[in-house]
Order: sequence, then C-alpha cells, then structure tokens
Amino acid sequence: SAVISQKPSRDICQRGTSLTIQCQVDSQVTMMFWYRQQPGQSLTLIATANQGSEATYESGFVIDKFPISRPNLTFSTLTVSNMSPEDSSIYLCSAGGGHSSSGANVLTFGAGSRLTVL
Amino acid sequence: GQNIDQPTEMTATEGAIVQINCTYQTSGFNGLFWYQQHAGEAPTFLSYNVLDGLEEKGRFSSFLSRSKGYSYLLLKELQMKDSASYLCAVKDSNYQLIWGAGTKLIIKP
Repeated sequence: SAVISQKPSRDICQRGTSLTIQCQVDSQVTMMFWYRQQPGQSLTLIATANQGSEATYESGFVIDKFPISRPNLTFSTLTVSNMSPEDSSIYLCSAGGGHSSSGANVLTFGAGSRLTVL
Repeated sequence: GQNIDQPTEMTATEGAIVQINCTYQTSGFNGLFWYQQHAGEAPTFLSYNVLDGLEEKGRFSSFLSRSKGYSYLLLKELQMKDSASYLCAVKDSNYQLIWGAGTKLIIKP
C-alpha cells in the first residue's frame, strides 16, 4: 500500500493566520482525501482532492476556509485559513486505491498534523 | 441520520481476549472496516467485512451481522502494543465512509 508523508506534524498558530499542510504519497493515487479528527470524535471528511480540478467539499466545509491543491497524482495541500481556536484539531491526509486481500478499497493515512490555534 | 456507535473506552489485561462492538445505522451498506490508531499516529487498516460472518486474521477477528447492523472486533492474546484506538467505519450506499468515534483500548499488565 502507499506510504504518505505529511507535514508539519504539529504547529502552534496565532488566531487570524493561515497554515498549509502538505501531503506527499510515494506512488500515484487516484483519490486523495482530507479529514479532521478532534479528540474523542469521529474522523470527519473535509473534502476530496481532485487532480486537475477543484476539490469536492463536504457539507459544512468551504473552499475559502480550506483551500486545497492537487497539482499531480502524488501531492496535495490543505490550507486552514484565518484560523480561530475552533480550528484546533488533527488534520489527516489519506489516499485511496489500495486493496485488501478481500478486494476492499482501503484508505492509507498520513500521521496527521496537530494544529493548536491560540 | 447516519450513525456509528462504539464504546468510548475499554480496559483489558495482557494475554486476555477483548471484544469491541460497533453498531451502525446508515443509508445503505457497502462494507464495514476496522482501523487501528496508535496515539499520534496514522490509522491503519485491520479488517473488512461485507458479508455476514467472521473474518479471522491472526490474533484479530471481525464479525458482521448486516441484519442487526452490528459488528465486533475480537482481539486475542492481548499484547501491550495493542493499546490503541479502534475505529469502526461503514461505507454507505454512496460509497461514503461513515466513521465511529473510536474505542480507546487500554491494556494492563
């Protein structure tokens, strides 16, 4: 399965600033996704990063707040814009296309970026 | 709405067996996944069930009953390294993954 490198692993940010998280996959993948994970809560899908076109955002997430780039099949970025303390969370990059022995489409995740907004 | 329920936290003893339950209500069903996530690390794939029954993979097994909207992950011969969160996720009729909040498993010597 693919190996995903994600950076930064953690950061402390000031209110009103923006931070870009990078996600690098070691092989070409069709599907890349960005998730948010708050302590004790589910993984929440922010958007699907589409290569060569605009990302597809889930309900409650908008491009102005979370702009995403996907310039090729191995790389994507997520920017958290105009941050507030409510944006403090772990942000996870994932890639689809791997398959289990039973043929299931399996997601591979990056280690996550833990953001704290003061 | 769509919902995945699993216990928040469980404690078990090294060498013992533990069963982590997951119940779901989703619009359609196209498979159920279990992922393991150690603190500060990426979730990693453990198992997949799409048909009723038990799937065994070494010390870990996963069971599914679609009629009951129920799954469990069974961990045998527990080791300290099994201390982690275990995430249940269901793929709905639109092939969207719906995630549970995860069960934190604490293993005691």
